[in-house]
Amino acid sequence: EVQLVESGGGLVQPGGSLRLSCIASGFPFSTYAINWLRQAPGKGLEWVSYINKNSDNIYYADSVRGRFTISRDNAKNSLFLQMNSLRDEDTAVYYCAREGPSGPPVDCWGQGTLVTVSS
Amino acid sequence: DIQMTQSPSTLPASVGDRVTITCRASQSISNSLAWYQQKPGKAPKLLISKASSLESGVPLRFSGSGSGTEFTLTISSLQPDDFATYYCQQYNTLISFGQGTRLEI
Repeated sequence: EVQLVESGGGLVQPGGSLRLSCIASGFPFSTYAINWLRQAPGKGLEWVSYINKNSDNIYYADSVRGRFTISRDNAKNSLFLQMNSLRDEDTAVYYCAREGPSGPPVDCWGQGTLVTVSS
Repeated sequence: DIQMTQSPSTLPASVGDRVTITCRASQSISNSLAWYQQKPGKAPKLLISKASSLESGVPLRFSGSGSGTEFTLTISSLQPDDFATYYCQQYNTLISFGQGTRLEI
């Protein structure tokens, strides 16, 4: 069974940092591109970042560029999102999500981890 | 950036109804369009890719059409399990979503 399990969410003050993790199982992680997406409470879906299978193509949404860093460890079937200089508007459920075997669209999502930025 | 405009934002409907949701892209995205269903507290589920290709296991009452800038998702006969929020997503250039359509009784 294909699974993506996020962790690392929690409450953080504005200006603080948090590192999210996503552990994959049930598929050859190293051959798939992965995205981070988020959803603020009661709001729609927003794409955050993309990393290809070899980590040589990385993209960010304008809203997080320069503050967030995506990375992966294929040996450990793991994806990460380092989030610095957090703002109130970064409060959301963060999902890691796999693209299909031939590329987009995203075909499998984790259950999400909640990040709350508040003083 | 490619902007996706989805309508309506809310769609009142009843079991057995035929409903259509529209999604418009700010520039041509060919057929790089997906539709997702999301239920409260759950991750989105992929229903349709390439504008009209139904994912395995998705009921045949769901269908998608369109290309370029105009796309539609149609549910031919609403079932109780279909009441959820639906999002379109373009993946021609990175990823962006429509605002969502909440299908409600």
